[in-house]
Amino acid sequence: QVQLVQSGAEVKKPGSSVKVSCKASGGTFNSLSISWMRQAPGRGLEWLGGIIPIITTPNYAQMFQGRVTITADKSTSTVYMELSSLTSEDTAFYYCAKTFPSSLGPTTYFDSWGQGTLVTVSS
Amino acid sequence: IVMTQSPDSLAVSLGERATINCKSSQSVLYNSNNKNYLAWYQQKPGQPPRLLIYWASIRESGVPDRFSGSGTGTDFTLTISSLQAEDVAVYYCQQYSNPPPTFGQGTKVEIK
Repeated sequence: QVQLVQSGAEVKKPGSSVKVSCKASGGTFNSLSISWMRQAPGRGLEWLGGIIPIITTPNYAQMFQGRVTITADKSTSTVYMELSSLTSEDTAFYYCAKTFPSSLGPTTYFDSWGQGTLVTVSS
Repeated sequence: IVMTQSPDSLAVSLGERATINCKSSQSVLYNSNNKNYLAWYQQKPGQPPRLLIYWASIRESGVPDRFSGSGTGTDFTLTISSLQAEDVAVYYCQQYSNPPPTFGQGTKVEIK
């Protein structure tokens, strides 16, 4: 059973960047597909993007293209999500989650989730 | 693909049935394998979502059998056959047939 552990809460200024980590254990890291979602307070879930470490090339949601960067460090079984040009609208819990690719795309359902990282953007 | 859930909230007596609907703006049925690319999640306060159902009707390991999923194409239902106190949560549907994956807005289930 793959477990995902995320880094701690962050407080950032508008215009800055945040980098959140997600460390995987209990599975074969290179074969995993890891996605990032976010959930603003009292709101639903948005997919930001994902990566399959063995393939390396990430894929991003169009609305975050140019602002989000997802990378993987195979040596530490860790996936990172960096979001730049932060505004108050980016205040949310950010989750990493494990998924599987299918013939239709790199993600399907999410069967294991990190505990979430609260990112607060405030001046 | 836009996912729309109904109702936004519902209150059900303990032991009674709870039914949540999810409608997709396009079919999530892939004809070549006859699979519906739809999942359901449960989220309790302060916790990440938990996978309940995938491929529209397959229960994830460890999920109680009072939870069931049904439907095909664009219309889906999550049913809790006999509501328990621990089922108080927000429930989300998610499609994964057409990237990017998208979620419904959530349905809050409470005890009447």
